[in-house]
Amino acid sequence: QSVLTQPPSASGTPGQRVTISCSGSSSNIGSNYVYWYQQVPGTAPKLLIYKNDQRPSGVPDRFSGSKSGASASLAISGLRSEDEADYYCAAWDDSLSGVFGAGTRLTVL
Amino acid sequence: EVQLVESGGGLVQPGGSLRLSCAASGFTFRSYWMHWVRQAPGKGLVWVSRINSDGSSTIYADSVKGRFTISRDNAKNTLYLRMNSLRVEDTAVYYCTREGMAARFVDYWGQGTLVTVSS
Repeated sequence: QSVLTQPPSASGTPGQRVTISCSGSSSNIGSNYVYWYQQVPGTAPKLLIYKNDQRPSGVPDRFSGSKSGASASLAISGLRSEDEADYYCAAWDDSLSGVFGAGTRLTVL
Repeated sequence: EVQLVESGGGLVQPGGSLRLSCAASGFTFRSYWMHWVRQAPGKGLVWVSRINSDGSSTIYADSVKGRFTISRDNAKNTLYLRMNSLRVEDTAVYYCTREGMAARFVDYWGQGTLVTVSS
């Protein structure tokens, strides 16, 4: 199983705000930056949030990240149909490995 | 524009070998640490390996340690992954990724190359 824990699924209607949680431990999220990636099925992952709460240029400000202790969350406001995708959290672990969550499938109803 | 283009994937029998390549462009390759990440069909992302900027330090996931070797040629702006003793469970899309500066994890991803291990 994955080192980081995410809910397998999330859903919302257009315009709604949804959040996706990511739980880790003191050796990964608790002491390192959290990253979030969006993956539309059949395509490569794309960076959504880096260093806990930073957005790369080109990522809409509807996407935001936060971290508290050994947990993190991704919030998507003003949900749109094109947000339907898989979302992964990730972090470096002090045991010298990268760790990912199992992914959350977001459905826009 | 940052570009990472993988190649070398394909069908290989269990116990066989394969070498993946990743051609990097649009950034100063020799300054960045690089990673390989894989994704089995229908499954999630799994970190595989990391190499520092000059190639002097490498680390691996336990599942591939002793079988896979990450390396780089900074003169050719190319990252490699040599995979030996391949197993059915190594079947996956392999992504070449770049670690951001002072970031401790990856920012840019290639499009991936599919490795299928089957008899």
